[in-house]
Amino acid sequence: GNSVTQMEGPVTLSEEAFLTINCTYTATGYPSLFWYVQYPGEGLQLLLKATKADDKGSNKGFEATYRKETTSFHLEKGSVQVSDSAVYFCALSAGFQKLVFGTGTRLLVSP
Amino acid sequence: NAGVTQTPKFRVLKTGQSMTLLCAQDMNHEYMYWYRQDPGMGLRLIHYSVGEGTTAKGEVPDGYNVSRLKKQNFLLGLESAAPSQTSVYFCASSVRPGQGALSGYNEQFFGPGTRLTVL
Repeated sequence: GNSVTQMEGPVTLSEEAFLTINCTYTATGYPSLFWYVQYPGEGLQLLLKATKADDKGSNKGFEATYRKETTSFHLEKGSVQVSDSAVYFCALSAGFQKLVFGTGTRLLVSP
Repeated sequence: NAGVTQTPKFRVLKTGQSMTLLCAQDMNHEYMYWYRQDPGMGLRLIHYSVGEGTTAKGEVPDGYNVSRLKKQNFLLGLESAAPSQTSVYFCASSVRPGQGALSGYNEQFFGPGTRLTVL
């Protein structure tokens, strides 16, 4: 079946540090891949997405590239801010609309 | 547009009590979903609906029922609450696959969540 594996958190960084959150997936066919972000006390918001191999999704300084050969969709940001502190979920959609989520990675950024 | 709204935001129940969570969306989306979020387990799909009057089971449907009598509303019911149903519940909606600027997949829009505690 389809599944998503994310690195466990929390990830603790100082402001302006480089961020990588790893995500790998298992899926039949050609899934679409997503990163969602959940700020404290809020619902999930779509951060970025990619629909085919080698696509790069980007938003708010975050980037992720759809790597079919390594079945990965790692999230990166060159310089994190305190306001980026949140839980990040990697997800895939294959075939029908249903999203399969990873377990989430909490990011804590200190000043 | 309010997007996706959920009522209530918080609720505490005793074991065996019943309740209904309401989800409403004003984006004219065909598809709606109910998820639960538990620590270390991400989000798991409870039930979903592909249109008014239709519902289907997701990954963890036991102990829940749903109804979609109106396109904009999706109700999640707990007939006899159990402590294992303590969770944060999220509703989401999306357009039908194949619609929108990018066919083949679509973004799901989430509500702010309902925190439910069953004692």
